[in-house]
Amino acid sequence: GAVVSQHPSWVICKSGTSVKIECRSLDFQATTMFWYRQFPKQSLMLMATSNEGSKATYEQGVEKDKFLINHASLTLSTLTVTSAHPEDSSFYICSVTYEREYEQYFGPGTRLTVT
Amino acid sequence: GQNIDQPTEMTATEGAIVQINCTYQTSGFNGLFWYQQHAGEAPTFLSYNVLDGLEEKGRFSSFLSRSKGYSYLLLKELQMKDSASYLCAVRDGDYKLSFGAGTTVTVRA
Repeated sequence: GAVVSQHPSWVICKSGTSVKIECRSLDFQATTMFWYRQFPKQSLMLMATSNEGSKATYEQGVEKDKFLINHASLTLSTLTVTSAHPEDSSFYICSVTYEREYEQYFGPGTRLTVT
Repeated sequence: GQNIDQPTEMTATEGAIVQINCTYQTSGFNGLFWYQQHAGEAPTFLSYNVLDGLEEKGRFSSFLSRSKGYSYLLLKELQMKDSASYLCAVRDGDYKLSFGAGTTVTVRA
């Protein structure tokens, strides 16, 4: 399978600050990247779908101005949580795919804690 | 929208067999996936079914019935390391994955 990295693996920030999470596809060019959020003891919820060079498509209920997604290249997508609040504390996971019909490969996740 | 149901928890003994059921209702269907997730880690791929029938992969097998909206994951010869959450995920007509809440399997000695 593909190798996907996320940075940082965990981060603690103060309420009101912004945090950027990077997702990198290390061994192939990913045309599509997905961002998920997972709260404790719950399943993964898709936040947005990101295609290289175009605006991300957000799922219903996800604020696009709060969760900024940039897919600047075929190997890098970033998620910025702006003006973070304690309720944004969660496990954020990205996945990548070569083409949408193909399997998704997941990154190791980023644990965000907002104090 | 998607509706994916699976049991919350299951417990089994080392060496035994456990079957995790998943029922789904989705708008469009492009395959069903099973993932294993250990606490604090990302999901890892276990199996994929797009046609009806059984797919076998070592100790793990997965079955799909599209007409019934039903799948199961069979774990054989359980090992302690199999203790984890198992996620059923359906890919819809837009190729997006929707996940069930996960089944926590506890393997006891």
